[in-house]
Amino acid sequence: DAGVIQSPRHEVTEMGQEVTLRCKPISGHNSLFWYRQTMMRGLELLIYFNNNVPIDDSGMPEDRFSAKMPNASFSTLKIQPSEPRDSAVYFCASSLLEDGEKLFFGSGTQLSVL
Amino acid sequence: AQTVTQSQPEMSVQEAETVTLSCTYDTSESDYYLFWYKQPPSRQMILVIRQEAYKQQNATENRFSVNFQKAAKSFSLKISDSQLGDAAMYFCAFQTGANNLFFGTGTRLTVIP
Repeated sequence: DAGVIQSPRHEVTEMGQEVTLRCKPISGHNSLFWYRQTMMRGLELLIYFNNNVPIDDSGMPEDRFSAKMPNASFSTLKIQPSEPRDSAVYFCASSLLEDGEKLFFGSGTQLSVL
Repeated sequence: AQTVTQSQPEMSVQEAETVTLSCTYDTSESDYYLFWYKQPPSRQMILVIRQEAYKQQNATENRFSVNFQKAAKSFSLKISDSQLGDAAMYFCAFQTGANNLFFGTGTRLTVIP
């Protein structure tokens, strides 16, 4: 298996633009997580899905952020409009929906909003 | 609420020596899981070791071992025979059930040749 695949690896955009980050989880995994990593706040959970259903989105900063999982093999995280404070590394991770299962992380998307 | 605290922002170790990274956590749960993840400069998050809270025996993975003290809510990582490739950020993480991981703020480990 190729692991969790995220695209793009780097994204540079201007303030106000829409940004879409993509994630393909490991085949057979039924939980998917979006994390954001910054120097100031470390790793924060934004949202996670079980069986394609959003379970907890309390970490989503504000209405500018939205996430979807239309099927078991694809998820998107969208920021509209983007702001400089959104600059961070965004990680997607997947796992089996069982207690204590380890998360497998993608390589992350480095987002820079100018 | 679950919290994870890593009190050492930076640590260094001489190559071939042993280093211990500290982690404490706070929870009211009785069943949970603890993890150490490694993040090298490549940015990839790599699982180092996992511990089930119901197991008294400390987990071991080759040169990596943990000292799990449930009563003290402590979960330290020991790296033996340190290698240059061990240089990375190390994150302690806590998980209850099939929910998300709560991460500490990380410890940056430098390995000195």
